Amino acid sequence: DARVTQTPRHKVTEMGQEVTMRCQPILGHNTVFWYRQTMMQGLELLAYFRNRAPLDDSGMPKDRFSAEMPDATLATLKIQPSEPRDSAVYFCASGLVLSRGSGNQPQHFGDGTRLSIL
Amino acid sequence: AQKITQTQPGMFVQEKEAVTLDCTYDTSDPSYGLFWYKQPSSGEMIFLIYQGSYDQQNATEGRYSLNFQKARKSANLVISASQLGDSAMYFCAMRSDTGRRALTFGSGTRLQVQP
Repeated sequence: DARVTQTPRHKVTEMGQEVTMRCQPILGHNTVFWYRQTMMQGLELLAYFRNRAPLDDSGMPKDRFSAEMPDATLATLKIQPSEPRDSAVYFCASGLVLSRGSGNQPQHFGDGTRLSIL
Repeated sequence: AQKITQTQPGMFVQEKEAVTLDCTYDTSDPSYGLFWYKQPSSGEMIFLIYQGSYDQQNATEGRYSLNFQKARKSANLVISASQLGDSAMYFCAMRSDTGRRALTFGSGTRLQVQP
């Protein structure tokens, strides 16, 4: 089965360090999403791309977070500098969005990156 | 704006019994989709079932069915014949079919299946 691949699965680092999370979406999917999951806020959207173009990053703290898709097989989420409040599970998801509705196309999630900032 | 409400933080069910997990939503979009995801303790998000806002029939996928009541804006998940492996967090989510295509999630329901 095709699946979304995220690396690393776990990351522990000190405050102030740069963190880079990577995602390989499912081949053929034209949208990529980054979500963050915390106990307090639940699952919230950080950014999403369609055909590699950023469409919405309103959920992302712009001063320290950045998201890119250098090519169709790689999406990255960077935090620089990292802070303890960034500790969370970061999920990448991909999906196929059609120009007229999306039918029953679900978003498929990677296993997440569990990030701990000390 | 979209909003998903899951009012049951936790649920218990006996093995082999059916259980209903509640989900209500609010949206001004004329066309949208409703989804349920399962998150076991290992952390991954597993897609379970989808219901389109214009679908006339309730969706079913194996032991999962979605009780969709559009007028009441509810999309409850029904799990029949519960199994121990069904113990997990369950998230209801929705997506507009126009405009922003990201998922809006509810706060989740933790289901525990007891032997």
